Amino acid sequence: ETGVTQSPTHLIKTRGQQVTLRCSSQSGHNTVSWYQQALGQGPQFIFQYYREEENGRGNFPPRFSGLQFPNYSSELNVNALELDDSALYLCASSPEGGELFFGEGSRLTVL
Amino acid sequence: RKEVEQDPGPFNVPEGATVAFNCTYSNSASQSFFWYRQDCRKEPKLLMSVYSSGNEDGRFTAQLNRASQYISLLIRDSKLSDSATYLCVVTTGRRALTFGSGTRLQVQP
Repeated sequence: ETGVTQSPTHLIKTRGQQVTLRCSSQSGHNTVSWYQQALGQGPQFIFQYYREEENGRGNFPPRFSGLQFPNYSSELNVNALELDDSALYLCASSPEGGELFFGEGSRLTVL
Repeated sequence: RKEVEQDPGPFNVPEGATVAFNCTYSNSASQSFFWYRQDCRKEPKLLMSVYSSGNEDGRFTAQLNRASQYISLLIRDSKLSDSATYLCVVTTGRRALTFGSGTRLQVQP
């Protein structure tokens, strides 16, 4: 149990729709990162938030956006869903400069 | 070319065997190195950090060769519970983790 919780655990959407995924970080962790893991691949870095500001972004288009709230919880929003967005979305929280702890992920299927 | 390359496996080994995984990375500016373990349909979990001097944690030994940009993981006396996917991970200064695609290990009775 890492103390990082994500919701929903599973969801199904259709192409063109929008989705919001949520993450509650472990107490005391002020940094949240999001990763996308396609089937058979390793997780790919989407972006990272530190104290409510985005401070790093991977190679993902602008339709992937996020927020971090004052309590350090976070959201990942994906607009105009595509079939290739089907994946496990992982949230990881960490104290500043410390080890990352992953949540169990949200499994998104786009039909 | 992928930033972190791993042999995808699967490696099928009997209980008690010794198995070694290798990984290469392309960014010479990489600063930190790790092995993560991921069970089927679960989240990745940190197995161990990797240092140039080599480090050992029980049955697990990790090595880093910065000159060759090569990382290894050795598992001795394999257990059934070691069956999982092992992910090689590197970071640059911005702390984002760059994962390999993983190597699947199946330990058989």
